Amino acid sequence: RKEVEQDPGPFNVPEGATVAFNCTYSNSASQSFFWYRQDCRKEPKLLMSVYSSGNEDGRFTAQLNRASQYISLLIRDSKLSDSATYLCVVSYSGNTPLVFGKGTRLSVIA
Amino acid sequence: DGGITQSPKYLFRKEGQNVTLSCEQNLNHDAMYWYRQDPGQGLRLIYYSQIVNDFQKGDIAEGYSVSREKKESFPLTVTSAQKNPTAFYLCASSPTGSLAAEKLFFGSGTQLSVL
Repeated sequence: RKEVEQDPGPFNVPEGATVAFNCTYSNSASQSFFWYRQDCRKEPKLLMSVYSSGNEDGRFTAQLNRASQYISLLIRDSKLSDSATYLCVVSYSGNTPLVFGKGTRLSVIA
Repeated sequence: DGGITQSPKYLFRKEGQNVTLSCEQNLNHDAMYWYRQDPGQGLRLIYYSQIVNDFQKGDIAEGYSVSREKKESFPLTVTSAQKNPTAFYLCASSPTGSLAAEKLFFGSGTQLSVL
C-alpha cells in the first residue's frame, strides 16, 4: 500500500521561531520527493524538490533520509506569511503518479 | 501567460445530476490529472492521462468519468453515481508522461457543492 504520512498539526509557532516537519514514506524504492505549500482553498504550489544531498532555499531547508524513509522541512525565522498547509509528495515508481500526504498545518502567530 | 484554467470556480449540483468540470492548459504538457480534496485531507487522485485519447483510473475513480480528446483539455464529469461529490477539485498537468519525476502545475480549483 502506498503511504505518505504527515503529522496534521496544527503547529502554532511565534514569529521568528524555527519549525520542522517530517514526512515518512513506505516504499524504499521511491525516487522523487517534493514539498508543496497550500493556502486555504487555493491550489498547491511547489515549495522545494528534495534531493539526496539535501537542499536549501533561503529560510527553507529540505533533507532526505533514505535509511529511515523520511523527508524533512525546516523553516527558520518564521514569518506570518508562512502560515499554510505543507504537503509532502513522493513518487512510488517511474510510471505511476505522485502520492500526496494529508499535509501539516502551520500557523505563525504575531 | 501559460497556465491551467479551471472553470467554474464554484459549482452546485442537484441530486441525480451529472456535472462537468472544465480544465484547459496551454503549457503543451503531455500529462494531466484530476484530484479531489476534502476538508483537512490531502489530494486523492481520480483520473490521469499521459497522452491524448488515453487515461487511467486513479485511487477514487468510481462515480467519475473523463475524456482526453485534445492535448490541452481534460474535462471531468461527476456523475449521479458519485454519492458524496462535495469537495474541492484540482486539475494539474506535468510536462511529459514521466509521471513520478516531475513538478505538477495546478489550476486554481473548483468547489463543487450538492444542493
